[in-house]
Amino acid sequence: EAEVAQSPRYKITEKSQAVAFWCDPISGHATLYWYRQILGQGPELLVQFQDESVVDDSQLPKDRFSAERLKGVDSTLKIQPAELGDSAMYLCASSFYAAYALQNTGELFFGEGSRLTVL
Amino acid sequence: KNQVEQSPQSLIILEGKNCTLQCNYTVSPFSNLRWYKQDTGRGPVSLTIMTFSENTKSNGRYTATLDADTKQSSLHITASQLSDSASYICVASSGGYNKLIFGAGTRLAVHP
Repeated sequence: EAEVAQSPRYKITEKSQAVAFWCDPISGHATLYWYRQILGQGPELLVQFQDESVVDDSQLPKDRFSAERLKGVDSTLKIQPAELGDSAMYLCASSFYAAYALQNTGELFFGEGSRLTVL
Repeated sequence: KNQVEQSPQSLIILEGKNCTLQCNYTVSPFSNLRWYKQDTGRGPVSLTIMTFSENTKSNGRYTATLDADTKQSSLHITASQLSDSASYICVASSGGYNKLIFGAGTRLAVHP
């Protein structure tokens, strides 16, 4: 069964260091999402891509976070410099349907996440 | 402000018992309502998706209901199993780009 792949699964870093997460969505999925989930809370959208274009990055802290999906397939989320408050699970999700088509109840598939701990 | 509130925050039940989790949403315009199961340290997995015209949907022992008039949803788990121990997240989608609004989840623990 096709899955959304994420790496690394776990990352421990010191504050002020740079960290990067990678996501490979299910083949053929046009829409890709990065979410941040703090322990005990629901996921919060950071950035949404439709193919290689950013659809929504309104909640992305652009002074330290960046995301790209250059060829419209896999994606990288970078944090530089990392801060203590960035400790969280970073989840990638993908959907076959275009972003606007999700109103037709298109399924959203999540990866296993990347757990970041900033010391 | 678009938001989703879930109750209770946490719940402990004995194996074999039933339980019901609640979700209230304030989302406009409303598109659909989703329930996800998230095991500790894992990504969420979809249980059900309902549009505003649907008022019930089942997935095995999980049954979700939706009342679009009162903006409430519930997830009923029948004959609970130890493997049902997880967080259950309610998600309401809104707008033309179907922005997903996540609740904080209900943490369910099923004890033998």
